[in-house]
Amino acid sequence: DAMVIQNPRYQVTQFGKPVTLSCSQTLNHNVMYWYQQKSSQAPKLLFHYYDKDFNNEADTPDNFQSRRPNTSFCFLDIRSPGLGDAAMYLCATSRKTGLLYNEQFFGPGTRLTVL
Amino acid sequence: DQQVKQNSPSLSVQEGRISILNCDYTNSMFDYFLWYKKYPAEGPTFLISISSIKDKNEDGRFTVFLNKSAKHLSLHIVPSQPGDSAVYFCAASAMNRDDKIIFGKGTRLHILP
Repeated sequence: DAMVIQNPRYQVTQFGKPVTLSCSQTLNHNVMYWYQQKSSQAPKLLFHYYDKDFNNEADTPDNFQSRRPNTSFCFLDIRSPGLGDAAMYLCATSRKTGLLYNEQFFGPGTRLTVL
Repeated sequence: DQQVKQNSPSLSVQEGRISILNCDYTNSMFDYFLWYKKYPAEGPTFLISISSIKDKNEDGRFTVFLNKSAKHLSLHIVPSQPGDSAVYFCAASAMNRDDKIIFGKGTRLHILP
């Protein structure tokens, strides 16, 4: 089945220790997104790639970086995690064809704990 | 400032009855609206959507209604089933502006036996 895969599902890191979260997709979608979701809050978009074009949200801290080496993979790097970065991180994909919008498909998420 | 608001954090409905989940939005540029369903330990899954050129879209037990003048949409589930117990997110997008969707905080729906 075509899907969005996130690894690991649970990640524990220490305060200030860099961490990388991984997302891969078999849907061949051209848009990939990273969201941060804290408890009882709306998923918050951090950034997205439209093909290789990187689009950063204005309020995404510099501590968060992303890489998309190819269509299938996208990484979220947190350079110096703080306690406030503990959250669920969701990866999503969609196919944009011209102006036609298609729904986003989400992975299961990675729950990040910062000690 | 929240652009998409789901004012009910939770809702309990008897099995077999109608579940109505509400959503309000503030941005008049939004022209495409979606509902996502999320089970624990899983990512959100797309449920149903509606374009602003329509006021109703139906898919099986799920119907979404859009009232543009009130900037309000609702999701109706009839009849409600135990498997419908989940968190439901309302989301909105300005289709011709960017690829982003803005989510509400979600409503947790409990279907009671």
